[in-house]
Amino acid sequence: KQEVTQIPAALSVPEGENLVLNCSFTDSAIYNLQWFRQDPGKGLTSLLLIQSSQREQTSGRLNASLDKSSGRSTLYIAASQPGDSATYLCARGFQKLVFGTGTRLLVSP
Amino acid sequence: EAQVTQNPRYLITVTGKKLTVTCSQNMNHEYMSWYRQDPGLGLRQIYYSMNVEVTDKGDVPEGYKVSRKEKRNFPLILESPSPNQTSLYFCASSPSPFDRAGEYGYTFGSGTRLTVV
Repeated sequence: KQEVTQIPAALSVPEGENLVLNCSFTDSAIYNLQWFRQDPGKGLTSLLLIQSSQREQTSGRLNASLDKSSGRSTLYIAASQPGDSATYLCARGFQKLVFGTGTRLLVSP
Repeated sequence: EAQVTQNPRYLITVTGKKLTVTCSQNMNHEYMSWYRQDPGLGLRQIYYSMNVEVTDKGDVPEGYKVSRKEKRNFPLILESPSPNQTSLYFCASSPSPFDRAGEYGYTFGSGTRLTVV
């Protein structure tokens, strides 16, 4: 069964710091990987989708990479801001998305 | 605006009283799915639908029913809710169930917080 693990579970950084969130998965099958953001009590916002044939995607200050051979994806956030504070979830698969348990990020001013 | 709309946003009900949570998308997506989110367990899939009249079980389907009579709507039905179904529920949609190349991602609704007492 596909498992998705996210490390760390929580992260607290000062504003301006660059940071990396990690996502690892057990199934190296050809599926895409998606990163989401979830604000407290709210829904999920899609941040980046990496197609199975791609190695990375970029959107503004966010960059996500996918390494199927090692079963890992990383989300890089440059120059973090307090508005980036949220829980970040990675998910793998298609007909059935398998989610990691998330990394709770707090960026302090 | 392209979106997935869930209703209600919040619901408190009593054990055994049938309820329906509605989900509607305006993007002509073929694929729709329901998830529940619980502390420490993350998001788990309840049911999904590949197209009209085509539905299948996810990881935690017990106690739930779904139907897909129209492309845009995918209601979640709890025939006899129990306290262990207290959770945050999300509906999601995506353009094509056969898009294994992953060209398209998922769009999620804002969630329905259900409490069963």
